[in-house]
Amino acid sequence: KAGVTQTPRYLIKTRGQQVTLSCSPISGHRSVSWYQQTPGQGLQFLFEYFSETQRNKGNFPGRFSGRQFSNSRSEMNVSTLELGDSALYLCASSYGSDYEQYFGPGTRLTVT
Amino acid sequence: SQQGEEDPQALSIQEGENATMNCSYKTSINNLQWYRQNSGRGLVHLILIRSNEREKHSGRLRVTLDTSKKSSSLLITASRAADTASYFCATGDTGRRALTFGSGTRLQVQP
Repeated sequence: KAGVTQTPRYLIKTRGQQVTLSCSPISGHRSVSWYQQTPGQGLQFLFEYFSETQRNKGNFPGRFSGRQFSNSRSEMNVSTLELGDSALYLCASSYGSDYEQYFGPGTRLTVT
Repeated sequence: SQQGEEDPQALSIQEGENATMNCSYKTSINNLQWYRQNSGRGLVHLILIRSNEREKHSGRLRVTLDTSKKSSSLLITASRAADTASYFCATGDTGRRALTFGSGTRLQVQP
């Protein structure tokens, strides 16, 4: 089975711009979660989607949004980028919230 | 915010020795999971233990869970240089449908 894929792997953006990150889950997984990892805050939950519905959202501003498509692929969008948004963004897929989550390699976003 | 803390924050051992990492958490959980991360890359799932289990093994890994103390430990036996990585515990809560991660333990295994 192919693993979780994330694109792009690296991204450099300027403050004020917006960015869209993509995640393709493992085949058969309907739950996709997004996490932000920074040296200061560690790993923090952004949101979780299941069958195209956002079931939970972490404590992030409205500039962070996401969606899930009918094939379970997910995108997250960050608008009006700030320097503090520089981070590794990780996507994880699973059968559901009570199961192991399988992580992709991440997208390294640098905001200058 | 972090669910809890991991202890120690960093650990350096020689190849062949055992490594033990501890994780504490604050709220009721459904399950607790351990992950490994190499050099800021994606996380690799190691083991999941449910709240009604006390111990679980997988190869060289042994995980214990004490829900009365809200703590877990990960033991890696006969460590190898390839085990060098950061290890994170994460608690799962069905109601919240999200993993809450600890701060991680950086393990360095000297060859």
